[in-house]
Amino acid sequence: DGGITQSPKYLFRKEGQNVTLSCEQNLNHDAMYWYRQDPGQGLRLIYYSQIVNDFQKGDIAEGYSVSREKKESFPLTVTSAQKNPTAFYLCASRGGIANTGELFFGEGSRLTVL
Amino acid sequence: GEDVEQSLFLSVREGDSSVINCTYTDSSSTYLYWYKQEPGAGLQLLTYIFSNMDMKQDQRLTVLLNKKDKHLSLRIADTQTGDSAIYFCAVNAGNNRKLIWGLGTSLAVNP
Repeated sequence: DGGITQSPKYLFRKEGQNVTLSCEQNLNHDAMYWYRQDPGQGLRLIYYSQIVNDFQKGDIAEGYSVSREKKESFPLTVTSAQKNPTAFYLCASRGGIANTGELFFGEGSRLTVL
Repeated sequence: GEDVEQSLFLSVREGDSSVINCTYTDSSSTYLYWYKQEPGAGLQLLTYIFSNMDMKQDQRLTVLLNKKDKHLSLRIADTQTGDSAIYFCAVNAGNNRKLIWGLGTSLAVNP
């Protein structure tokens, strides 16, 4: 079945370490997104990519980096510069402009900094 | 800037109807969405409504849109314990169709 796969589901990191969260989709969607979710703060956009080899900063990009070398893949690196990285991270994708524009989400990755 | 607001909590008894409300500021929004998030999981699209519609019904779900007041609501009939979750309202905004999200309404269904 088509969908979005995020891995790992749970990740623990020591302070000062970089960590990369994987996001893969087989929906043939052009656009992909990374959101951060904290209790009581809803979804905040970190980075998004509308096409391969191109991406834009969202509202809270500081301390994060992404790449989009393949249409199917949009990994997110949480760097040591991110001051408060403990959160639930959600990856999503969206199809072409002819559709209704809804996002399809992965199951999320929970990052805990020890 | 664009904004979407929702009440944070709603508690209902099993079998009652639930109504979750949402207000938004961008009058140019073309699609308005309701998503459901169960604990520890991603978001699932429940339903959406196009801006030229007033109402959309899908089984137990009814979406009402009042464009004049920029008010969107989601009614869940015969609410079950399995409906306990966080419900997010989202609207697309601007030329780039960026999605603006509410903070989510946590629905608790009591037996």
